[in-house]
Amino acid sequence: EDQVTQSPEALRLQEGESSSLNCSYTVSGLRGLFWYRQDPGKGPEFLFTLYSAGEEKEKERLKATLTKKESFLHITAPKPEDSATYLCAGYAGGTSYGKLTFGQGTILTVHP
Amino acid sequence: GAGVSQSPSNKVTEKGKDVELRCDPISGHTALYWYRQSLGQGLEFLIYFQGNSAPDKSGLPSDRFSAERTGGSVSTLTIQRTQQEDSAVYLCASTPDPTGLYGYTFGSGTRLTVV
Repeated sequence: EDQVTQSPEALRLQEGESSSLNCSYTVSGLRGLFWYRQDPGKGPEFLFTLYSAGEEKEKERLKATLTKKESFLHITAPKPEDSATYLCAGYAGGTSYGKLTFGQGTILTVHP
Repeated sequence: GAGVSQSPSNKVTEKGKDVELRCDPISGHTALYWYRQSLGQGLEFLIYFQGNSAPDKSGLPSDRFSAERTGGSVSTLTIQRTQQEDSAVYLCASTPDPTGLYGYTFGSGTRLTVV
């Protein structure tokens, strides 16, 4: 059974304090690893798709990386507006029809 | 429309009643997904539509749950004889690419509370 596990469950940072969020996955024949951001009362917002081990993608203060077993979301010099829940998801391809297996998310709080 | 629209945004219903949740995807997006997000849990896949057909219904929790899509556009998720364990946020997403590799666009969800 495909599984995605995120850690930590919650992370509190001071503004400017860089850190990383972890996503471990066991997804058979992984074709894509996704990161989404979710604000309270809203649906998840797409951030990145990573396709193969060694790949990196960046967007503003966020950088996502992928290995054969896990993905990291690095947040450099975070600001309070980066506070949100960050979701990781894996896509197995084949007959999965775009169905994603999501982790439970990491709640990030950045204090000014 | 510019985004995925879901209605109602909130629904409180009595146990045993039927409810209908609506999703209006981005125009031209052929693939549509329903997920459920329960408190403290990750998003749980319910059903996938490609056009008006549903090749994958594997996530529907029971036969009380059904969904349809008409005109390759609007989708309705129906829950019959609601139970308290059905309380959750129901999220709809659409994408122009059935692999989903370019990312979903989610709606803001319908928060369902069964009392």
